[in-house]
Amino acid sequence: EAGVAQSPRYKIIEKRQSVAFWCNPISGHATLYWYQQILGQGPKLLIQFQNNGVVDDSQLPKDRFSAERLKGVDSTLKIQPAKLEDSAVYLCASSQKTGEGTEAFFGQGTRLTVV
Amino acid sequence: TQLLEQSPQFLSIQEGENLTVYCNSSSVFSSLQWYRQEPGEGPVLLVTVVTGGEVKKLKRLTFQFGDARKDSSLHITAAQPGDTGLYLCAGYSNYQLIWGAGTKLIIKP
Repeated sequence: EAGVAQSPRYKIIEKRQSVAFWCNPISGHATLYWYQQILGQGPKLLIQFQNNGVVDDSQLPKDRFSAERLKGVDSTLKIQPAKLEDSAVYLCASSQKTGEGTEAFFGQGTRLTVV
Repeated sequence: TQLLEQSPQFLSIQEGENLTVYCNSSSVFSSLQWYRQEPGEGPVLLVTVVTGGEVKKLKRLTFQFGDARKDSSLHITAAQPGDTGLYLCAGYSNYQLIWGAGTKLIIKP
């Protein structure tokens, strides 16, 4: 079974530039998550989709971050304009269902460096 | 704000030693998960505990959920270099998954 695919693996941009990350979840997984993991910290949920609808985006900085999941499969996360503090690993995860005890499967992440 | 505090933040020991890492909170969690994250990879789920006092074993790893469901521990017996990684706990409360900052574990051969 193929895992969660993310691209690119690494990205370096200057502040105020824009960047986009792509995620392809495990086939059949209805729930998709985007997390931000800053060095030395645990993952922080940015947005959760159930199919192509948003379940939770309470911690997404909506003035600069946006995400979409068209057709309920692939997803993109965009940052525009980027700030230095956005430097982090952006993890995509998917699960068959949502709710307590659900196992989430993570991709390898995209390491973003903003200079 | 609900917090999960993990301790120690960093642990480096020799192969064959035993260790315990902790995940503590002042809040009650309805369930708690432990993940291991290796460098350059995403976290991988090790176990989910749901009942206060529950103990689960995964080979040399023993996970315990506190009686009051506010804390959890992970004990590794006879640690091996392959156990090296970042160990993260994450607890469910009010339909949200709260993550700790992790314990970075290095097992030296």
